[in-house]
Amino acid sequence: EAGVAQSPRYKIIEKRQSVAFWCNPISGHATLYWYQQILGQGPKLLIQFQNNGVVDDSQLPKDRFSAERLKGVDSTLKIQPAKLEDSAVYLCASSTDTQYFGPGTRLTVL
Amino acid sequence: GENVEQHPSTLSVQEGDSAVIKCTYSDSASNYFPWYKQELGKRPQLIIDIRSNVGEKKDQRIAVTLNKTAKHFSLHITETQPEDSAVYFCAASSIDSWGKLQFGAGTQVVVTP
Repeated sequence: EAGVAQSPRYKIIEKRQSVAFWCNPISGHATLYWYQQILGQGPKLLIQFQNNGVVDDSQLPKDRFSAERLKGVDSTLKIQPAKLEDSAVYLCASSTDTQYFGPGTRLTVL
Repeated sequence: GENVEQHPSTLSVQEGDSAVIKCTYSDSASNYFPWYKQELGKRPQLIIDIRSNVGEKKDQRIAVTLNKTAKHFSLHITETQPEDSAVYFCAASSIDSWGKLQFGAGTQVVVTP
């Protein structure tokens, strides 16, 4: 069974630029999550989708972050404009019950 | 909302000894408690989980215990090996949170030969 796929794996941008991350969940997993993991901390949920609907986005900084899952499969997370404090690993996870994580995208904002 | 606290933040053990990591949670509605292992630069991987209808679960050298009354759960690793060195995260979720996990801050475990 293929795991959760994410791209790119690494991204370096300057502050105020835009960036987008892509996630392909495990086939058949209706629930998809985006987490932000700052160095030395546990993952923090940004947004959770059930199929193509948002279940929880209470911790998503909506002035700069957006996410979509148009067809209930792949998802994209966008940051516009980026700030220095957005430097982190962005993890995508999917589940039917147990959550499985992708390899993450390491974002560095200079 | 749920708050999960994890202790200790770092743990150094000699190979062959046991390691114990403890977590407490605040939401009495929480009913699912997974543990993830994250090696440097890699994804978190589920190593064991427990639901609130059981008090203990074991898988080879790894065990998890749950005390619902005290709202805490613990990870026990016996006969530690160098490959157990990693950051371990506990997490909690409740049945009415659509599987949303609240993670602890993590424990850096170092197993020295």
